[in-house]
Amino acid sequence: AQKITQTQPGMFVQEKEAVTLDCTYDTSDPSYGLFWYKQPSSGEMIFLIYQGSYDQQNATEGRYSLNFQKARKSANLVISASQLGDSAMYFCAMREINTNAGKSTFGDGTTLTVKP
Amino acid sequence: SAVISQKPSRDICQRGTSLTIQCQVDSQVTMMFWYRQQPGQSLTLIATANQGSEATYESGFVIDKFPISRPNLTFSTLTVSNMSPEDSSIYLCSAGRQDANYGYTFGSGTRLTVV
Repeated sequence: AQKITQTQPGMFVQEKEAVTLDCTYDTSDPSYGLFWYKQPSSGEMIFLIYQGSYDQQNATEGRYSLNFQKARKSANLVISASQLGDSAMYFCAMREINTNAGKSTFGDGTTLTVKP
Repeated sequence: SAVISQKPSRDICQRGTSLTIQCQVDSQVTMMFWYRQQPGQSLTLIATANQGSEATYESGFVIDKFPISRPNLTFSTLTVSNMSPEDSSIYLCSAGRQDANYGYTFGSGTRLTVV
């Protein structure tokens, strides 16, 4: 079974509006980390935000926040006040602390296009 | 978090030849990985680079085709051997501490075209 699922191949958002990118995950390890990366057309992978499985509060980093719903096994990324520079591919990833030898599992990605 | 220098950034190679990609990390890290990515697609893990020992390869990848070295905690190489056009892809290295509360850092990638 796929461990990370991103069901939105592509998303569009109007500049200055908020957008939510969906991510669900599956693991039996009680200790894990969830991550979001941004990959612009230049190809670099940019780490955006981290959420630990034991964190009580949702993570926030500037305009990025992670809507963590542990019971639903979802970790959606919310981008507020979208900018043209936010147009990129976004990957959700998970790292299991006790299993999987420190490897990260990535979703298929969501391509976000911000319209002016 | 660590900063990674990856070289070369791109190359065009003849089929049947080999290319070695290098990654240098600016701090000691426990974990280093090599990925392959086709444009517009997700990352496929090739192997975990283990310091001082043989790499751990994922299903579908073998040492003869993708030999990996990691002589110390800050440096690793991936060689793409006996290349064919199917090896054309972006190759990325990634590194970090397994217990870190942030994502592993990635190199800038190597865009390989085999002709």
